[in-house]
Amino acid sequence: DAGVTQSPTHLIKTRGQQVTLRCSPKSGHDTVSWYQQALGQGPQFIFQYYEEEERQRGNFPDRFSGHQFPNYSSELNVNALLLGDSALYLCASSQLQGPQLNTEAFFGQGTRLTVV
Amino acid sequence: AQSVTQPDIHITVSEGASLELRCNYSYGATPYLFWYVQSPGQGLQLLLKYFSGDTLVQGIKGFEAEFKRSQSSFNLRKPSVHWSDAAEYFCAVGARTNAGKSTFGDGTTLTVKP
Repeated sequence: DAGVTQSPTHLIKTRGQQVTLRCSPKSGHDTVSWYQQALGQGPQFIFQYYEEEERQRGNFPDRFSGHQFPNYSSELNVNALLLGDSALYLCASSQLQGPQLNTEAFFGQGTRLTVV
Repeated sequence: AQSVTQPDIHITVSEGASLELRCNYSYGATPYLFWYVQSPGQGLQLLLKYFSGDTLVQGIKGFEAEFKRSQSSFNLRKPSVHWSDAAEYFCAVGARTNAGKSTFGDGTTLTVKP
């Protein structure tokens, strides 16, 4: 079991550009949550995807959007990048249905995004 | 609104000494509590979780935490710290119906002196 995998590991973008980050959840998990972790802070919940729909959303602008595919993998898209979007973006997978319901969430290693 | 406060930004302990990291939470319902550890540039690793039952929970790497409802606290402890425990530690609170959505504290950085 590969666990939660995220790609790419590092990314440098210019202000105003758009970026797409990818996440493959742990085998058997059906839910993907995205978090932003700015330097020196704890992770902040961006949104969560289940059954290919955004299920919950944190306090983030519409520039942040996402998608979940039928195989449960997910993408996080950020448009019109700002310097303040520089952060570690973490993906967490969990299960909302099934025998391992809600036991815990597993985090990927993250994507380090730098906006210059 | 739910929130987590970790009062200590940075803690330094000597190797072999005991450790306690503090966590206070605010949550409207019965909480689901976690402690995670993060090494530099890495993701989060779950140390332990409290769901229900015994208020003293054991985790990996010799860590334990005690849930105290009356104090809204979930402090992390370890009797003897190893140099490899140096890392950032995060306390988090979440809903029992959704393990993927949690509110995190800002973390405590642990430095271990030889």
